[in-house]
Amino acid sequence: NAGVMQNPRHLVRRRGQEARLRCSPMKGHSHVYWYRQLPEEGLKFMVYLQKENIIDESGMPKERFSAEFPKEGPSILRIQQVVRGDSAAYFCASSPRTSGSTDTQYFGPGTRLTVL
Amino acid sequence: AQKITQTQPGMFVQEKEAVTLDCTYDTSDPSYGLFWYKQPSSGEMIFLIYQGSYDQQNATEGRYSLNFQKARKSANLVISASQLGDSAMYFCAMRVNPGYSSASKIIFGSGTRLSIRP
Repeated sequence: NAGVMQNPRHLVRRRGQEARLRCSPMKGHSHVYWYRQLPEEGLKFMVYLQKENIIDESGMPKERFSAEFPKEGPSILRIQQVVRGDSAAYFCASSPRTSGSTDTQYFGPGTRLTVL
Repeated sequence: AQKITQTQPGMFVQEKEAVTLDCTYDTSDPSYGLFWYKQPSSGEMIFLIYQGSYDQQNATEGRYSLNFQKARKSANLVISASQLGDSAMYFCAMRVNPGYSSASKIIFGSGTRLSIRP
């Protein structure tokens, strides 16, 4: 049973380019979360999605950032016109739909974005 | 406001000793969940242990136990018989607005860097 998959693991972009980060949740999981970790800091919530729906995007910057979780395929976090301050590790997590669970979120290995 | 506080930025412990990592939290929600995650130098986030706010007993998972003191709003992680492989960043986290679905965001503390000395 594969865990949460993220790709690429490392991404380098120049200022002004677009970054696309992909996340495939664990099998059977229908909830996806994106978090950002700046160097030497804890993770900060960005967005929570279910299939074809954004449920909570309270942590997303208002501009340049968008996320989707289509009916088919992985969840995508998209950052347009990247700036140096976007350099961070971006983690995806997933959790199952089953109620009464521990509600644990299982994390992917992260994508480390470096903006030159 | 919901908040997680970890006051120990770094700790050094001798191998085979027990270690306690401190965590306090703040929430007005009567139902919440508390987690500990380990982040080794490779960067991945590894789930260690979970404690629900209504759980009567402290959670344990192998060498990990969670010292849950609800009145004091603390959820300290205890690692018994520490090993060199325990060297990593440790994050305390809280799930807010749990409801009946498993769909809740997690708030993280700033982390504690644990170093185990041989």
